[in-house]
Amino acid sequence: DAKTTQPNSMESNEEEPVHLPCNHSTISGTDYIHWYRQLPSQGPEYVIHGLTSNVNNRMASLAIAEDRKSSTLILHRATLRDAAVYYCILGNSGGSNYKLTFGKGTLLTVNP
Amino acid sequence: DTAVSQTPKYLVTQMGNDKSIKCEQNLGHDTMYWYKQDSKKFLKIMFSYNNKELIINETVPNRFSPKSPDKAHLNLHINSLELGDSAVYFCASSQRRGGETQYFGPGTRLLVL
Repeated sequence: DAKTTQPNSMESNEEEPVHLPCNHSTISGTDYIHWYRQLPSQGPEYVIHGLTSNVNNRMASLAIAEDRKSSTLILHRATLRDAAVYYCILGNSGGSNYKLTFGKGTLLTVNP
Repeated sequence: DTAVSQTPKYLVTQMGNDKSIKCEQNLGHDTMYWYKQDSKKFLKIMFSYNNKELIINETVPNRFSPKSPDKAHLNLHINSLELGDSAVYFCASSQRRGGETQYFGPGTRLLVL
């Protein structure tokens, strides 16, 4: 499985933007980039995913480097509820035995 | 209505006992999964079923046996519980086999004494 590298932790202030980086230098051409997050004492929650183009949804934006070896999850205005562990995961969408392989993720702390 | 539900939420039991965890999804998805999150917070897949057929079976002791009576349910039975089985077990589902968007349940916190 292609691996991702994320900072162990990051800190932000409420209502400020947050940029969570992820390096995936061994990504293959068909790998999608997925982001999940896990709030305290809850199950993981899907955030966003993309292949090559930048993606936006109601939760976040995903900026993908042109060479696809890195990506950034952008939370436009952090709230206290966004404090969680954020996981960047690579996967080949549509593969019959596709599975999510979670790493350590980035623990995001949001200060009031 | 909860999309993916698990019961029980907490489970405290003695070593050597047999226990089951139940999972149900009301999303109409074809594929369901079991994950284990240990004390170091690593989340690892254990099993995956697609329309009641086992499609992913990671290196898990034989004491763990998943059962899928229908595609909306995936239960996990654990025989002869050991201390190392203490963890949080998450059920998840996805629309199709190979679907990358997975929906997770709230978890079952298992403590083996």
